[in-house]
Amino acid sequence: DAKTTQPNSMESNEEEPVHLPCNHSTISGTDYIHWYRQLPSQGPEYVIHGLTSNVNNRMASLAIAEDRKSSTLILHRATLRDAAVYYCILRDRSSGNTGKLIFGQGTTLQVKP
Amino acid sequence: KAGVTQTPRYLIKTRGQQVTLSCSPISGHRSVSWYQQTPGQGLQFLFEYFSETQRNKGNFPGRFSGRQFSNSRSEMNVSTLELGDSALYLCASSIQTSNTGELFFGEGSRLTVL
Repeated sequence: DAKTTQPNSMESNEEEPVHLPCNHSTISGTDYIHWYRQLPSQGPEYVIHGLTSNVNNRMASLAIAEDRKSSTLILHRATLRDAAVYYCILRDRSSGNTGKLIFGQGTTLQVKP
Repeated sequence: KAGVTQTPRYLIKTRGQQVTLSCSPISGHRSVSWYQQTPGQGLQFLFEYFSETQRNKGNFPGRFSGRQFSNSRSEMNVSTLELGDSALYLCASSIQTSNTGELFFGEGSRLTVL
């Protein structure tokens, strides 16, 4: 599985937008880009995923570079509840690894009131 | 709709003992995966079960095993416990209609080995 690189930590102020970057320079054509987050004392939860085009859902937006070697998770208005570890993960859509995620160290997001 | 349920939530064992953890997936989900989370190694994939068959296995010793029942509930077992097995063990389920489907995680079972 291709590797991703994320900053170890980021800070944001409440009510402001947050841009969480992820580099995946060795991404293959069949890799989807997934984001999960883990709130304190909870299991990870799905945030969003995409292949080539930018994606939006109720939680966040995902901006994917044209060459797909990087992506950015955007939280439009950070709340205290968004403080979590955010994981950027590549999933090969052509593999049989339906339940296997390769987690890196993720980005710990701190939201200040 | 009930989420993924893991039991027990917390347990303490001593070295050399064995432990069995249980996971009930979301109703209708047939794929169950297990992960180990430690401060040093982060989240690591243990194995995945689908329709009572192991589909994938991570890089863990044979002391770690699992199974899945016909109702999709899953158990994992760790034998001859070592101090390093202290961790949060997470279970995830998915419908498994595609290779990139969303995984739903439980809150985990926290194992402490003394």
